[in-house]
Amino acid sequence: EDQVTQSPEALRLQEGESSSLNCSYTVSGLRGLFWYRQDPGKGPEFLFTLYSAGEEKEKERLKATLTKKESFLHITAPKPEDSATYLCAVQAVSGTSYGKLTFGQGTILTVHP
Amino acid sequence: DGGITQSPKYLFRKEGQNVTLSCEQNLNHDAMYWYRQDPGQGLRLIYYSQIVNDFQKGDIAEGYSVSREKKESFPLTVTSAQKNPTAFYLCASSRRGQYEQYFGPGTRLTVT
Repeated sequence: EDQVTQSPEALRLQEGESSSLNCSYTVSGLRGLFWYRQDPGKGPEFLFTLYSAGEEKEKERLKATLTKKESFLHITAPKPEDSATYLCAVQAVSGTSYGKLTFGQGTILTVHP
Repeated sequence: DGGITQSPKYLFRKEGQNVTLSCEQNLNHDAMYWYRQDPGQGLRLIYYSQIVNDFQKGDIAEGYSVSREKKESFPLTVTSAQKNPTAFYLCASSRRGQYEQYFGPGTRLTVT
């Protein structure tokens, strides 16, 4: 069974204080690992897809990296507007073009001014 | 603007009543999905559909039903058989050949 565990559950940072969120996963065969941002009361917003170990993707202050067992979301010099819940999900290789996403429980990030 | 719409944003029902949540997309995506989100838990897949007139059960399909009569629409019915229906319901879609799923704004259902 595919599993995703995110840590920490909650992270409080001061503005400008860089840090990382962790996503550990077990999957029979990884098709892709996905990061989403979710604001309170809203649907998740797609951030990144990572396909293979060693791959990195960047967007503004966020950088996602992938190894064979985990992914990190690095946040550099965060701002209060980066406060949100960050969700990690994996999709296993399957016989079709579509596959379910298995989600972690999320990390709640709060950035104080 | 292309996107996914879910209505209503908030829904209140009495126990024992069936309720239908709407999901529409104009992204021309082939696949559509329904997830449920509860506090402190990851999103869990209820049903998904890859093509019109075909759908598959996800991990927690009991007490739910769906239909896919049009490519753009994938309504979810929460029946009275669902034991804990109060939750945040999210609809998503994806394009053939791409694995990312894009989400709608969600419907918060409260059953008392």
